[in-house]
Amino acid sequence: GDSVTQMEGPVTLSEEAFLTINCTYTATGYPSLFWYVQYPGEGLQLLLKATKADDKGSNKGFEATYRKETTSFHLEKGSVQVSDSAVYFCALSDPTGNQFYFGTGTSLTVIP
Amino acid sequence: NAGVMQNPRHLVRRRGQEARLRCSPMKGHSHVYWYRQLPEEGLKFMVYLQKENIIDESGMPKERFSAEFPKEGPSILRIQQVVRGDSAAYFCASSPNSGTRNEKLFFGSGTQLSVL
Repeated sequence: GDSVTQMEGPVTLSEEAFLTINCTYTATGYPSLFWYVQYPGEGLQLLLKATKADDKGSNKGFEATYRKETTSFHLEKGSVQVSDSAVYFCALSDPTGNQFYFGTGTSLTVIP
Repeated sequence: NAGVMQNPRHLVRRRGQEARLRCSPMKGHSHVYWYRQLPEEGLKFMVYLQKENIIDESGMPKERFSAEFPKEGPSILRIQQVVRGDSAAYFCASSPNSGTRNEKLFFGSGTQLSVL
């Protein structure tokens, strides 16, 4: 079945460091791919998405490129801030758009 | 335009009691999903409902757990005879009518269930 595997945390970085959180997926057909972010005490919010191969999703300085050849959707940011501290979830939706699969989440802490 | 509303925000129950978690999806959304989040375990799918129908309940325990999404009113996740292992954050998410695979999920702020 469809699934998402993401890099285990926790990840701790200094402010202005480069961030990469790896995500790979297994899917039949052509899923859409998402990164969601969860701030402490809140629900998940969509950070970015990509709907087809080679698409790049971007938002708030974060980017991820849909790589069909490597079945990956790694999240990157060139310079993290303390306010980026949160849990990040990689997810995919099946081709019908009815079912969503989430990774286990990666906790990021950015220290000043 | 109100977002996904979940209540209560915090729910405390003693072992053996019943827990009812409510979720009102965003206006115009007819699809509701329930997820459970345990520390160190990420987000686990429980059930997917459309109005008056359960579409996929493959992630929900067969006993003590049930969910509904009536024609009128919120979706309800019901846990009977709660045990300590049911303590977790329960998140509801909604999406508009499907038909396109590009739709995203809109999440509520969750209900933190604590079983004493």
